[in-house]
This record gives sequence, C-alpha cells and structure tokens, in this order.
Amino acid sequence: EAGVAQSPRYKIIEKRQSVAFWCNPISGHATLYWYQQILGQGPKLLIQFQNNGVVDDSQLPKDRFSAERLKGVDSTLKIQPAKLEDSAVYLCASSLNRNQPQHFGDGTRLSIL
Amino acid sequence: SQQGEEDPQALSIQEGENATMNCSYKTSINNLQWYRQNSGRGLVHLILIRSNEREKHSGRLRVTLDTSKKSSSLLITASRAADTASYFCATETGGSYIPTFGRGTSLIVHP
Repeated sequence: EAGVAQSPRYKIIEKRQSVAFWCNPISGHATLYWYQQILGQGPKLLIQFQNNGVVDDSQLPKDRFSAERLKGVDSTLKIQPAKLEDSAVYLCASSLNRNQPQHFGDGTRLSIL
Repeated sequence: SQQGEEDPQALSIQEGENATMNCSYKTSINNLQWYRQNSGRGLVHLILIRSNEREKHSGRLRVTLDTSKKSSSLLITASRAADTASYFCATETGGSYIPTFGRGTSLIVHP
C-alpha cells in the first residue's frame, strides 16, 4: 500500500510570509494528524481530524495556523504569517481509526529566515 | 507538558548487545505505542500495547506495560547497527484518543 505523502519536502521562507503544506493519507484511513517536531524533541500534535471533522486542535496556534481536511481525504496546513519559532519539521500521519497505529509521512522541513 | 517521558535520553551500545528504553507517563491511558525515527525521516510504528495488556513481542522487540507504575519499557535484543535511531513512546488518552509523544531516546549501535 502507498504510504502517507507529504509535499513539499523542504521549504525556506522569510518571517511574516505564508506557507502551506499538503498531506495525502493512506487510502481508507479515517484519522489524520498534523504534528510539529522541533529539532531534538518529540512530535507535538497540532490538530487531529476524524474524517473531515476536528477531534482536537487545542495546541494549534489559531492566530496564525489553520488546517482543513478536504472531503475527509487530503489535508492542508497553513501558516500565516510565519514566525522564526515556527522553524521545524511538520509531520502528517494517518491511521485506520483512533486507537490504531499511526503511519507517518517523511515531513516538510520548514526554515524561517 | 509531556505525558510520556523516555529514559535514558541517549544510549550507546555495541552491536549484539541488548538495548532497554523506558517510558513513564502521568495519567491513565488507552494505549501506549513505540515508534522509531531514523534521521530525516518520519516515524515508523513498532508496537501498540493496550492498557489491559502487559507484554507484547515483535521479532527482536519486547514491550512491557505496568499501569500501576505508569511505565513501559522497550527491549531490543541482539541490536544491530541498523537499529541506530531515535525511539519515542506515545500515549493515547481520553475518549478521543489524543496522542502525546515523549522527547525520545537516541540509540546509537556501534558495529
């Protein structure tokens, strides 16, 4: 089966610019996650979708971050405007359902200048 | 705040030795999962253990869960250089199964 696809792989922008990341989960997976992973730390959950509904977005900085899951399949995560502290790897993961193993993409490495 | 915390933060061993990593957590969980992350890659799922299970095996991996102590351990037997990676535990809690990852253990296996 095809894995979780993410794009772009790398992105460099200046602070205050906007950026968007795209994720295509494994076909049939109901649950989709976006994580932020800062160098040397574990992934921090930003938002969790169940089909196209939001389960949890308590750690999403909603003044600058937004996410949507189109028709319960693909998802995009946007940052506008970006801050220096947003430099991190943004990981997308999907699972068949909650309480199931997560499958991760290789992430987008974001650098803010 | 971190729900799961791995210990040690770093571990360096020789090929063929066993590696043990521990994970402690604070609140009741639905399940606990272990993941591996190679440098520059996404996380790979290793084992999921549910709150009513005490031990699970997968190949050279053995995971135990002690809910009374709120801790889990991951044992890698007969380690190989290819096992060099960061290992994370993740706990899922509540009715919504919200996952929380620890900071990870960095394992280096010397050939």
